[in-house]
Amino acid sequence: DTEVTQTPKHLVMGMTNKKSLKCEQHMGHRAMYWYKQKAKKPPELMFVYSYEKLSINESVPSRFSPECPNSSLLNLHLHALQPEDSALYLCASSQDNREETQYFGPGTRLLVL
Amino acid sequence: AQKVTQAQTEISVVEKEDVTLDCVYETRDTTYYLFWYKQPPSGELVFLIRRNSFDEQNEISGRYSWNFQKSTSSFNFTITASQVVDSAVYFCALSSGNTGKLIFGQGTTLQVKP
Repeated sequence: DTEVTQTPKHLVMGMTNKKSLKCEQHMGHRAMYWYKQKAKKPPELMFVYSYEKLSINESVPSRFSPECPNSSLLNLHLHALQPEDSALYLCASSQDNREETQYFGPGTRLLVL
Repeated sequence: AQKVTQAQTEISVVEKEDVTLDCVYETRDTTYYLFWYKQPPSGELVFLIRRNSFDEQNEISGRYSWNFQKSTSSFNFTITASQVVDSAVYFCALSSGNTGKLIFGQGTTLQVKP
């Protein structure tokens, strides 16, 4: 089973709100990723967790805060977002972070008002 | 520098036509991996294929086939007898350097009309 789940599917939030995106996988993968995708663009890598430790932060603003509570879960905490942060946020996982295939979840469509 | 180029922004075909999506990559690494993903309107990226730099054997999976040519740094994807359900954005991606970072092309939007 190559399933990555993400909740919520859709999220609307104001610029002063705090919200969290959740991602879960039960494939025993040890690497998990957050991507941001704007319309008609490819996904852009935000964060990589490898064995529950943050291994890559692609200079993402601090209003995005990732968390990996255990090997199956990945959260993205959102605070004081801007309208330009509206996008599709995709989570992915892979066996480890060495060029293994990344399997993506369905994404969370975020709208910041 | 690593780069993936998908020169075709949009392709429109009629059902049952064959269509080839082009992908050209750049990397200085000798070990690297190439991927194709499909993104239907629902948004999820669906993994289609992974190929490593030492395996130039072409692959066929049903109506899908892939042609990997290191001499031209290309990894093209052909859909035979296209169907309306093939309509999606297709991304070619490159990974190397043991970082796990995927370098995506800009994507090709394929529209298959009935």
